[in-house]
Amino acid sequence: EAAVTQSPRSKVAVTGGKVTLSCHQTNNHDYMYWYRQDTGHGLRLIHYSYVADSTEKGDIPDGYKASRPSQENFSLILELASLSQTAVYFCASSDYKNTEVFFGKGTRLTVV
Amino acid sequence: QQQVRQSPQSLTVWEGETAILNCSYENSAFDYFPWYQQFPGEGPALLISILSVSNKKEDGRFTIFFNKREKKLSLHIADSQPGDSATYFCAASARAGGADRLTFGKGTQLIIQP
Repeated sequence: EAAVTQSPRSKVAVTGGKVTLSCHQTNNHDYMYWYRQDTGHGLRLIHYSYVADSTEKGDIPDGYKASRPSQENFSLILELASLSQTAVYFCASSDYKNTEVFFGKGTRLTVV
Repeated sequence: QQQVRQSPQSLTVWEGETAILNCSYENSAFDYFPWYQQFPGEGPALLISILSVSNKKEDGRFTIFFNKREKKLSLHIADSQPGDSATYFCAASARAGGADRLTFGKGTQLIIQP
């Protein structure tokens, strides 16, 4: 079964600090995504990647960086965390352009 | 700009009834419409999907009705069960145009009362 594993599952970060969220997939998928979920906003795409060592901006990339060092791993980096970045973050993967997307269980990030 | 809209935001139905979740979109290029189901504490999971060349897709108790002319679709959940209580997201993409991402609606929270 397709598997996307996120770590940590929850994190409290200090405003202005650096945060790295990690994602690992064992699906052998080319595409990986980072989404943000806020109450009332659904899922919004932050960054995505279709090949290792390359990332693309999604719909809300400001304040976030992404890194895809290998096909299996995809990280989301908040260089200077802000209160407005408190949210649940989901990593996902798919084998091609928006075929079935498999999501991880999410990381609840609280910035204080 | 909200390209995919869902209504209602929240819906409560009795067990055994049919729940109807609505979705509309603006981009005429959208041709692929998956619905995702999300339980609390979990990530969304694909439930059922439809391509714009079809006007209906069934999978067990779940049916999508699609109206291309009106840019509307709906998810019908027949014989609703308490286990169907979840948040449902309508999504869309323009596959034929080579789109590389899905656009999600804001979701409908469905509660099935026993």
